[in-house]
Amino acid sequence: AQTVTQSQPEMSVQEAETVTLSCTYDTSESDYYLFWYKQPPSRQMILVIRQEAYKQQNATENRFSVNFQKAAKSFSLKISDSQLGDAAMYFCAYLNYGGATNKLIFGTGTLLAVQP
Amino acid sequence: NAGVTQTPKFQVLKTGQSMTLQCAQDMNHNSMYWYRQDPGMGLRLIYYSASEGTTDKGEVPNGYNVSRLNKREFSLRLESAAPSQTSVYFCASTHRAPGELFFGEGSRLTVL
Repeated sequence: AQTVTQSQPEMSVQEAETVTLSCTYDTSESDYYLFWYKQPPSRQMILVIRQEAYKQQNATENRFSVNFQKAAKSFSLKISDSQLGDAAMYFCAYLNYGGATNKLIFGTGTLLAVQP
Repeated sequence: NAGVTQTPKFQVLKTGQSMTLQCAQDMNHNSMYWYRQDPGMGLRLIYYSASEGTTDKGEVPNGYNVSRLNKREFSLRLESAAPSQTSVYFCASTHRAPGELFFGEGSRLTVL
């Protein structure tokens, strides 16, 4: 069975600085997707960024980028120029490629605080 | 934009009571999901419905039942609530894009 591990329960960053959140996963599959979801204090989860395992290029969405290391099964999220609105719980998630359903497997989350 | 709507947002139950969490989406999505979120455990899938008329168990289905009433609505029922079911429950839906789930705001349930 696949597992997702986030070893940093909490992180803190100064406004305008850069922070990296870590995620590792375990799978025997070769084709899959990886995601970062953000859960702000309002609780509603939103998708931040997605990475297809077959793509070597790291995904980027504005100030958010990932470092995908397939051999190491590592998928970290880098937030540049951190803003107060980035304060939230961040979840890493995994999905098998080609499945009939979007049954995501989530990590335990990293709570990010942004200091002004 | 309503998106995914869950009711109620807060509920307190006594052990043994029953209740139903309601979820409705207005995005014409085929698939719907119920997750529970517990501190230090992330989100765990309870049940899902890949399409109208079908439901399947997720990772932690014991103590729950679901109904996919129509394409819009997917309800979660606790027949005899237990303190272990104290949690925040999230409904989500999706159409096709892999992993792009749209979540409701959550329902905080406390079982005394």
